Amino acid sequence: AQSVTQLGSHVSVSEGALVLLRCNYSSSVPPYLFWYVQYPNQGLQLLLKYTSAATLVKGINGFEAEFKKSETSFHLTKPSAHMSDAAEYFCAVSAPQSNTGKLIFGQGTTLQVKP
Amino acid sequence: NAGVTQTPKFRILKIGQSMTLQCAQDMNHNYMYWYRQDPGMGLKLIYYSVGAGITDKGEVPNGYNVSRSTTEDFPLRLELAAPSQTSVYFCASSAEGWGTEAFFGQGTRLTVV
Repeated sequence: AQSVTQLGSHVSVSEGALVLLRCNYSSSVPPYLFWYVQYPNQGLQLLLKYTSAATLVKGINGFEAEFKKSETSFHLTKPSAHMSDAAEYFCAVSAPQSNTGKLIFGQGTTLQVKP
Repeated sequence: NAGVTQTPKFRILKIGQSMTLQCAQDMNHNYMYWYRQDPGMGLKLIYYSVGAGITDKGEVPNGYNVSRSTTEDFPLRLELAAPSQTSVYFCASSAEGWGTEAFFGQGTRLTVV
C-alpha cells in the first residue's frame, strides 16, 4: 500500500531564507509524485510533479523538488522565501499501474513566512 | 475559463438531513474525484469516476453516494448527515488517469450540527 509522510505540520522561515518541506513516500513500485499548494480558502494548485523523467523537478514560483529513490523522498525547496509563499503544502503520490489518477496525500505542512 | 466549479461554498446541515454537493467541470476531463479535507489529515478520497456512467469507492465512502450521468457533472450526495461529515469537500478532475495534473474546485465547507 502506498503512503505519504510529511515531516513537520508547521514550518516557519524568515523572508529570504531557504524553504525546505519534507516528504517521504512508501510505494512498492516507482510512483508519480506531486506537490500541491493551498492558499487560504482556495482549492489546491499544482506546484510540480515527478513522473520518472528528470529527478530534479522545477515548478512554479521558484520551487523545485528532487526525487531520491534510495531515500524514498521528494523534498520541496525554494532558495528564498517570499511573504506570498505562506500557504499549506501537500505532497501526494499516485500509482502508475492503477491508471485512475487517485492521489494519496500527506498530512500537509503549513508554511509561515516572517518578515 | 471556469475549470472546476463547486456549489455551494458553505452549508450548515442538521443531523439527519440530506444534501447534494454539486461539481461541474468544463475541460472535458474523463476523470473526476471527490476528496474531503480534515485538519491535520490531508485529503482523503471519497469517490472517483473514470468516465460517464462509471464510479468507484475511494478510501472513505461510507455515508456518501455519487453518480456520473454526464462527463461534466459529478454530484456528491450525503444521506442522513452526521457530525463526522463536517469537513471541507473538494472536487477535482484530470484529463488522464496517471501522471497528469488534477484541477481542484474551490471547495465546499460543510458543517453538520
